[in-house]
Order: sequence, then C-alpha cells, then structure tokens
Amino acid sequence: KQEVTQIPAALSVPEGENLVLNCSFTDSAIYNLQWFRQDPGKGLTSLLLIQSSQREQTSGRLNASLDKSSGRSTLYIAASQPGDSATYLCAAYSGAGSYQLTFGKGTKLSVIP
Amino acid sequence: GAVVSQHPSWVICKSGTSVKIECRSLDFQATTMFWYRQFPKQSLMLMATSNEGSKATYEQGVEKDKFLINHASLTLSTLTVTSAHPEDSSFYICSAFQGASLEQYFGPGTRLTVT
Repeated sequence: KQEVTQIPAALSVPEGENLVLNCSFTDSAIYNLQWFRQDPGKGLTSLLLIQSSQREQTSGRLNASLDKSSGRSTLYIAASQPGDSATYLCAAYSGAGSYQLTFGKGTKLSVIP
Repeated sequence: GAVVSQHPSWVICKSGTSVKIECRSLDFQATTMFWYRQFPKQSLMLMATSNEGSKATYEQGVEKDKFLINHASLTLSTLTVTSAHPEDSSFYICSAFQGASLEQYFGPGTRLTVT
C-alpha cells in the first residue's frame, strides 16, 4: 500500500527566502504526483501536477520535481512571501486503474514578514 | 474548466440525525468520484470511491451503513451521514476524476458539526 511522507512537518522562514519541501513515496508505480496548498479551514488548491513521464513542472515561483526511481518529489518555492503561508500537501496517484490519491500529512509553512 | 462544487459548505446538526452532502462536477462528467475526511490538523483520508451506477467501494474501517454514498448520475455523488454523532464532526471533501486529464478535481469541502 502506498505511503507518502512529507518532511518537515512545519517550516518557518523569513520573507524572501527560497525553500524546499520534501515528499517521499514508497511505491514507485505511480502515474502522477500532485502538490496542493490548503489554507486553514479551506479546501485544496492544486499547485502543480507532474505526470510520471515528466521530471518537473513549473508555475511562477513554484517548481516541483519528480524522481520515481528514488521515490521522491520536491517543491521549490522561490522568494517566499507571507501569502505563501499555508499547509502544502503532496499526493501520489496510484496506477492499475484505481486512480486513487494517497496524501502525505503536509508541511505547514509560515513565512515571516 | 474542471470545477467541482459541494453543498452545503457547512452544516450543524443534532446527534442522531442524518445529513446529506452533495458533490457535483459542473463542466465535465465523472464516472468516478472520491470522498475524503479530514480531522483537524490531519491530512485527507480516503473514505470511499464512488462509481456511477454501481456500489461504492469503502476503505477499511469506514462503515458503509453509516456513510451512504450514491452516485446516480455522471455529475452528482452524494454522501449521507446517518445517525450522526459528535465524533463524525469533520471536514468532508469530495473529488471528481476526469478521464481526459487523469486527474482528480476537488470540491471546496463541507464542514460538519454534530452537536
């Protein structure tokens, strides 16, 4: 059964810093990996989706990478802003026709002005 | 495109009553929808997979008689929490799977409080 782990559980950085959030998964037979953002009491906002044939995706200040062989993905945030403060969730799509998502527990990011 | 709505966004009910939550894909058809539950400061846990025209598949530990799922059309799935108890209070989120993109699109969630 797929397990997704995110490290660190919480991270606090000063505004303007670049930062990396880590995600690891146990079953490399995934077909997509997705990063989400969740603000307190709110639903999920999709940030980036990386297909299994891709190694990275970029959107604005965000860059996500995927290394299936090592079971790892990273989310890089450049020039962090206080508005980036949220919980970031990594989720892996299982294959074999189920298309189920397994979520990590998230990294709570605080960007200090 | 690929918008999913949920209704209601929040609900308060008394212990012992039933509550229905709707999940709709607004601009695409979804043969498969998923229901998740999220407790405070926890991640999303998959409760069940809802397939249009057939019975839902429940994850281990989820009571199918308590959490009734109906996926009667390609754009609507409902989750009914029967005989709700305070421990059922949680944030319930649905998603709809779009075959064209092989991606799940999430609704905004429903906050259920059972008093």
